[in-house]
Amino acid sequence: GDSVTQMEGPVTLSEEAFLTINCTYTATGYPSLFWYVQYPGEGLQLLLKATKADDKGSNKGFEATYRKETTSFHLEKGSVQVSDSAVYFCALYDWSYGQNFVFGPGTRLSVLP
Amino acid sequence: DVKVTQSSRYLVKRTGEKVFLECVQDMDHENMFWYRQDPGLGLRLIYFSYDVKMKEKGDIPEGYSVSREKKERFSLILESASTNQTSMYLCASSSGTARNTIYFGEGSWLTVV
Repeated sequence: GDSVTQMEGPVTLSEEAFLTINCTYTATGYPSLFWYVQYPGEGLQLLLKATKADDKGSNKGFEATYRKETTSFHLEKGSVQVSDSAVYFCALYDWSYGQNFVFGPGTRLSVLP
Repeated sequence: DVKVTQSSRYLVKRTGEKVFLECVQDMDHENMFWYRQDPGLGLRLIYFSYDVKMKEKGDIPEGYSVSREKKERFSLILESASTNQTSMYLCASSSGTARNTIYFGEGSWLTVV
């Protein structure tokens, strides 16, 4: 079945450091890909998405490119801030796999001042 | 802006009580979901619904039931709460299109004592 794999956390960075969180997927069909962010005590918020190969999703300085050849959707940010501390979830939606979303386990990011 | 509203952010219930968690979305979405989130276990799908009065079991339906009498409202019911149901519960909704996005509520923290 469809699945999403994320790098294990927690990830701890200093402010202004470069961030990469790896995400790879397996899918039966041609999925849409997403990154969600969860701040402490809150629900998941959509951070960015991409619906086809080579699309780049971007928001709040975060970017991710849909790489069909490597089945990846890595999240990057050039300069993280303390306020970026949160849990990040990679997810996919595959129409051919029923109408459900598949989530990765989440990666906790802590940014130190 | 999309809006998924969960009626209670924090609840404390006693073992054996019947518990209702309510969720309302204002996006006219066909699909609604209930997830449970526990440390180290990620998001686990309890139930979902594709349409009014329709429901499908997710990965962990035992001990739960759901009700969808109106398109905008999806209720999660714990018939007899147990301490192992202490968790954060997340409601979500999505449209029924091939390239859709899932939107989450802020979560309900349930403690069963």
